[in-house]
Amino acid sequence: NAGVTQTPKFQVLKTGQSMTLQCAQDMNHNSMYWYRQDPGMGLRLIYYSASEGTTDKGEVPNGYNVSRLNKREFSLRLESAAPSQTSVYFCASMLSAANNEQFFGPGTRLTVL
Amino acid sequence: GENVEQHPSTLSVQEGDSAVIKCTYSDSASNYFPWYKQELGKRPQLIIDIRSNVGEKKDQRIAVTLNKTAKHFSLHITETQPEDSAVYFCAAADQTGANNLFFGTGTRLTVIP
Repeated sequence: NAGVTQTPKFQVLKTGQSMTLQCAQDMNHNSMYWYRQDPGMGLRLIYYSASEGTTDKGEVPNGYNVSRLNKREFSLRLESAAPSQTSVYFCASMLSAANNEQFFGPGTRLTVL
Repeated sequence: GENVEQHPSTLSVQEGDSAVIKCTYSDSASNYFPWYKQELGKRPQLIIDIRSNVGEKKDQRIAVTLNKTAKHFSLHITETQPEDSAVYFCAAADQTGANNLFFGTGTRLTVIP
C-alpha cells in the first residue's frame, strides 16, 4: 500500500495564479483532511471531508476550495494565490470517527511570490 | 472550538536523559489525545495516543499521561537517543462527528550526544 500520496512535492506560484493540490489514499479510509503548516504555528485544518460526498470548513478555509472526487481522492484548490498562502500543505486520512488515527501524506511545499 | 497549548517550544537534553513535553486543552469533552513526531522535511507520524478512559499509556521508552480534571497531558521520553531529535506535536480531538484534531504548536527536541 502506498498510504497517502500527494502531488506535487514542490510548487512555486506567482500572486494571482491558481493551482490544485492532489491527494489520494489507498487505505479505504472514510475521512480526509487538508492542513497547512507554518513555522511556529503547528498544523491548522483548512478543510475536511468526513465521508465521500461531504466537505466542511476547518479553522483556516479562506482562499481555498476542496473537492472530494471519490472515496480515494481529495483535492485542494487555490483560485488566486497570495503570498500568505506560502506554506507546507499536508493531506491526511482517517478510517472512521471511531478510529481516530490520522495518516499523513508527504506534504507539498508551496511558495507564492 | 478546541484550543491546545504546548510547552516548551524547544528542549535540549543530553543523551540518556529524560524529556517531558506538556500540553493543555480547553474542551473538557475531548477524549482522544495523540502525539506526532515530525523529522525535518518529513510527514508527521503518530508515536503514541491515549483516550480519556485511561490515565497513562506506555510503549517502550515513550509514555503519555492524561489528567482529565486539569485538562492536561504529557509526553515522557526516557533514555533519549540522538534519533529522538525531531519536532513533537500534541493534539486533541474535538467532539464533532468528524473528530477533527487540533494541534499544539510543537516542541523541537534536540538530544545532544
